[in-house]
Formats: sequence, structure tokens, C-alpha cells
Amino acid sequence: DGGITQSPKYLFRKEGQNVTLSCEQNLNHDAMYWYRQDPGQGLRLIYYSQIVNDFQKGDIAEGYSVSREKKESFPLTVTSAQKNPTAFYLCASGTSGSTGELFFGEGSRLTVL
Amino acid sequence: GQNIDQPTEMTATEGAIVQINCTYQTSGFNGLFWYQQHAGEAPTFLSYNVLDGLEEKGRFSSFLSRSKGYSYLLLKELQMKDSASYLCAVRDNYGQNFVFGPGTRLSVLP
Repeated sequence: DGGITQSPKYLFRKEGQNVTLSCEQNLNHDAMYWYRQDPGQGLRLIYYSQIVNDFQKGDIAEGYSVSREKKESFPLTVTSAQKNPTAFYLCASGTSGSTGELFFGEGSRLTVL
Repeated sequence: GQNIDQPTEMTATEGAIVQINCTYQTSGFNGLFWYQQHAGEAPTFLSYNVLDGLEEKGRFSSFLSRSKGYSYLLLKELQMKDSASYLCAVRDNYGQNFVFGPGTRLSVLP
């Protein structure tokens, strides 16, 4: 079945460590996105990519990095520079055709100990 | 700037009708989306409006007024499983970015 797969679902990290969240899609979508969601808040955009080997910063990119070497994959690295990384991270993909809604992965919950 | 407002919480009774409002002020507009998100899960797409008017989809309807920067999501015949957060999102002119509102947490009571 087509969809978006995020891993891991839960992740614990010590302060000062970098962690990488995986996001893979087999929907053949060009665009991929990373959002962060904090309790009681909406989704805030971290990074997005419209095509392979190209990506743009969103509203809260500081302390995060991404790569887009393949159309299907858009991993997010949470670096030690991110001061408050504990959050729920959502990856999404979308197409420019028809409605163009976003399809979301199941999310990754990162907790910094 | 980009700003989307929604009520933080709403409560309704099973079988009733509820309307969740969304107002937006964005630098561009290329469609308004509603998503449903159950606690701890991914948002799922509910509806899309790009022209003024009402779009109906079963128990769910969504309305848009572009001149007023206003939309609402109407849920009829409420069921317990409708208890969730409802996110309003606007897509920009270039279709590249989506701005999300804070979400409205709906509780459906028996």
C-alpha cells in the first residue's frame, strides 16, 4: 500500500546528541515536509523540499538539518544546537496536482532526557 | 504576516451539530484545508476549499469566504469518534507552503 513511513515512533536522546528521524514515501510525491508539533499548538514548518537535491528552511529551521538525495526519502537530523527538541515530529508529502493535500506519516515522538 | 485563528476547545453532545470557525490573514492564498487529528496520531485530510461556498462530504461540510478570510467546518450527527483536534491550514500562492492554525480540540459527550 502507498503511504509515508516514519521511524522511529519513539526516541529518547541525551542532551548534546544528534538524532536522525527517517521519512520514506512511496506515493511518488515531489514535495516533502517536516513539521514540529508541541502540546496544544499547531504544526510549525521546519523544512520542506519540492525536488530532489533542493530544500528550503521553514519557520523554525534553526538546530535542524535535512537532505533530499532521493525522491522517496527526506530524513531530518535534530542537532545538539536545537535548544528545546522534545516534541512530536510529523513528516508529510504532497503533490501539486488536483487538491494537493498533504499526506502525513504516523509521527516520531522525541524526548530529550 | 501569517496568522490563523481557531477556538482552542469546543464541547458538543453526541448526535448534535457543531461548527468550528477559522479566520486567516495570510500573505497569499491557494486553498484552505481541514484536517482531523486524534491524540498522538497523524492528521488526516477532511476537506478542501479554494472557491467561495460550501463543500459537502457526508457528515462533514466546509465553507469558505475569501473576502472575509473565514472558513468553518460543520460536523453533523456527531459521534464519539469525532472527538479529536481539527486543524485549519492555508496553502500559499505558490502551492509550496501550508500554514496551520493552532487546532480546535473537540470533545463529544454522550
